[in-house]
Amino acid sequence: AQSVTQPDIHITVSEGASLELRCNYSYGATPYLFWYVQSPGQGLQLLLKYFSGDTLVQGIKGFEAEFKRSQSSFNLRKPSVHWSDAAEYFCAVGLDSSYKLIFGSGTRLLVRP
Amino acid sequence: DTEVTQTPKHLVMGMTNKKSLKCEQHMGHRAMYWYKQKAKKPPELMFVYSYEKLSINESVPSRFSPECPNSSLLNLHLHALQPEDSALYLCASSLAEHTEAFFGQGTRLTVV
Repeated sequence: AQSVTQPDIHITVSEGASLELRCNYSYGATPYLFWYVQSPGQGLQLLLKYFSGDTLVQGIKGFEAEFKRSQSSFNLRKPSVHWSDAAEYFCAVGLDSSYKLIFGSGTRLLVRP
Repeated sequence: DTEVTQTPKHLVMGMTNKKSLKCEQHMGHRAMYWYKQKAKKPPELMFVYSYEKLSINESVPSRFSPECPNSSLLNLHLHALQPEDSALYLCASSLAEHTEAFFGQGTRLTVV
């Protein structure tokens, strides 16, 4: 069955430090991969997506993610975190020929001043 | 315009009330979704409409009734809800299958 794993429930980083949020997926076919961010009480905002092509994708707010097929991973990175990046981050997989999105359980990012 | 608009932002309703949540998008998207999100959990898919027809119902109780009057509008009619139905209800839309979904800001529903 398809699944998405975000192994880190919480991550705390200092402002200005680099960030990597992990995402692993289980899906037999070509995955369509997404990262979303959610601030408390708000909707989800799309940070970036991967469908095909270059495995390093750039997103909004200075985020990037790298698709590694051999590791079934799609980790999110940012070189320098800002306090406003504190939020919940969800990795998701879109299934071929389906409207369903499979979400990971989320990683809560806390930013130390 | 990449916006999905949901109204109301907050709703408190009693267990015998009938209310409706509304969602609107003007991006020309042909798929619209309702998700339910409990605190500290990912969104859970409830319904998908594709080309104004119900495409997916994730075994949602009948006290939730979706409606898609046209390609830009999506409603969720609520009746006889339970306190455990209190959650953030998110509407989303996408151009097609497996393309990115755009989410609204949600309706925070409290059932008392």
